[in-house]
Amino acid sequence: DAGVIQSPRHEVTEMGQEVTLRCKPISGHDYLFWYRQTMMRGLELLIYFNNNVPIDDSGMPEDRFSAKMPNASFSTLKIQPSEPRDSAVYFCASSLGGFNSPLHFGNGTRLTVT
Amino acid sequence: AQTVTQSQPEMSVQEAETVTLSCTYDTSENNYYLFWYKQPPSRQMILVIRQEAYKQQNATENRFSVNFQKAAKSFSLKISDSQLGDTAMYFCAFMAHMDSNYQLIWGAGTKLIIKP
Repeated sequence: DAGVIQSPRHEVTEMGQEVTLRCKPISGHDYLFWYRQTMMRGLELLIYFNNNVPIDDSGMPEDRFSAKMPNASFSTLKIQPSEPRDSAVYFCASSLGGFNSPLHFGNGTRLTVT
Repeated sequence: AQTVTQSQPEMSVQEAETVTLSCTYDTSENNYYLFWYKQPPSRQMILVIRQEAYKQQNATENRFSVNFQKAAKSFSLKISDSQLGDTAMYFCAFMAHMDSNYQLIWGAGTKLIIKP
């Protein structure tokens, strides 16, 4: 199994630009999570999906952030327009489901907004 | 509200020593899971070990073991015979199904440095 695949690994963009982060979960996993990690705030859950349906998006910072999961093997996190304070590492994770299932993380995307 | 506290921001030990990372949590739930994740400089989050709350026996994975004290709500991680590759951030996490939602609460992390 290839694990959770995220792209790009690094993204540098200018303020105001649209940014799209991509994630391919592990095949067969029903849950997909998007996290943001910063030194100041640690790991923050942005949103999670169950069977492609968004379940809890209360962690999405504001309307500039949106996430989609058009099918079981692909999800995107979009920021439009991006701001310098969005600079962080964004992780995607997937799990089989149920609260006893550990999360499997991708390598993360380091986003820098200048 | 559920909380997870890691009281040690940073620790360092000599290679081959044993080190214990502390984690306490607060919850009113009876059924839950606890996890330790490791994040090395490569930044990928890797599951180290997990513990089911209803199991009294402490989980072990090779050199990694936990001391789970349910009444005290404590879940410490012991690393025996520490190796340079154990240098990483270690995160404690608590997971339960609450209010029809999947709740995973993370601690702030402990930076562990293994010195040669």
